Amino acid sequence: KAGVTQTPRYLIKTRGQQVTLSCSPISGHRSVSWYQQTPGQGLQFLFEYFSETQRNKGNFPGRFSGRQFSNSRSEMNVSTLELGDSALYLCASSFSGTGGHTNEKLFFGSGTQLSVL
Amino acid sequence: GENVEQHPSTLSVQEGDSAVIKCTYSDSASNYFPWYKQELGKRPQLIIDIRSNVGEKKDQRIAVTLNKTAKHFSLHITETQPEDSAVYFCAAASSGTYKYIFGTGTRLKVLA
Repeated sequence: KAGVTQTPRYLIKTRGQQVTLSCSPISGHRSVSWYQQTPGQGLQFLFEYFSETQRNKGNFPGRFSGRQFSNSRSEMNVSTLELGDSALYLCASSFSGTGGHTNEKLFFGSGTQLSVL
Repeated sequence: GENVEQHPSTLSVQEGDSAVIKCTYSDSASNYFPWYKQELGKRPQLIIDIRSNVGEKKDQRIAVTLNKTAKHFSLHITETQPEDSAVYFCAAASSGTYKYIFGTGTRLKVLA
């Protein structure tokens, strides 16, 4: 089975621009989550999607948005980029997250390294 | 708010020694605790996890312990090898929230 695929691997943007990152989950996985990784801050939760619906959202400004398509692929968008948005953006997929009282294992992609100049 | 504290931030051990990384979580509803290993330039990979109904879990040289009362969980690596050098992240999650709260990571260096 192919793993979680993220594109592009690297992005360089300037302040004020917007950017779209893409994530293809493991085949059969319907839940996709996004995390921001910065040095010293660990991984910060952005949002989670399942069946094209956002089920949870982290504490990020509205400039950060996402969506999921019917094939479970997901995109996240960051508008009006700021220097502080420079980070590694990780996508993770899991089977469904609908286990109710159990959490599904997360499988991460390699990430998109975003640099804002 | 929800928080996971992880210590130490860096850890150096001699090859063959044991390494212990500790995490404390704040949300008493947390019931799933995975550990991820991230090698330089690579994706985080799940190495072991534990659910709240279990106190300890082992997988070869790796073990995780959970103290629900104290809201502590720890990763134990025995007989460390150079390939264990990486950044390790703990996380906590609770059912139905669909998000993981991660610690800030521990950089483990195993000295040959």
